[in-house]
Amino acid sequence: AQTVTQSQPEMSVQEAETVTLSCTYDTSESDYYLFWYKQPPSRQMILVIRQEAYKQQNATENRFSVNFQKAAKSFSLKISDSQLGDAAMYFCAYRRKAGGTSYGKLTFGQGTILTVHP
Amino acid sequence: EAQVTQNPRYLITVTGKKLTVTCSQNMNHEYMSWYRQDPGLGLRQIYYSMNVEVTDKGDVPEGYKVSRKEKRNFPLILESPSPNQTSLYFCASSKMDRGRYGYGYTFGSGTRLTVV
Repeated sequence: AQTVTQSQPEMSVQEAETVTLSCTYDTSESDYYLFWYKQPPSRQMILVIRQEAYKQQNATENRFSVNFQKAAKSFSLKISDSQLGDAAMYFCAYRRKAGGTSYGKLTFGQGTILTVHP
Repeated sequence: EAQVTQNPRYLITVTGKKLTVTCSQNMNHEYMSWYRQDPGLGLRQIYYSMNVEVTDKGDVPEGYKVSRKEKRNFPLILESPSPNQTSLYFCASSKMDRGRYGYGYTFGSGTRLTVV
């Protein structure tokens, strides 16, 4: 079974600075998807960024980018120019690409609480 | 607006009193799923459905039931709630693209359930 691990329960950053959230995963598959979700205090789950495993290029969405290291099974999220509105819980998630049991399931990490200081 | 509608947002109930949390999506998604979120554990899948009348257990199905009689609706039923089912619950849906689930989920706004 796939597992996702976020080893940082909490992180903090000063406004306008850069922070990196870590995520590692375990899988025997070669093709899959990885995601980062943001959960602000409103508790709504918001998709931040998506990476396809067969694409070597790291995904980027405005101030959010990832460092995808397939061999190391690592998928970190970098937030540049941090803003107060970035304060939230962040979840890393894995999804197999096709077939097998639990097809379609998103497997989540434990989450990292990000605090942004003004 | 494309969305997953989940109700109620908050619910306090007593042990053993049957309850249903409703979930409806308007995006014609095939895949729907229920998760519970607990501190330090992230989100864990309870049940999922790949289409009408097709449901299966996730990682933590004990004490829960689901049904998928229509494509848009996927209610979660707790027939005899217990305090260990106190949690934050999410319904989610996902579309299929060329036979594969390449996209993330669209989530409902969550239900905070307390069982006393």
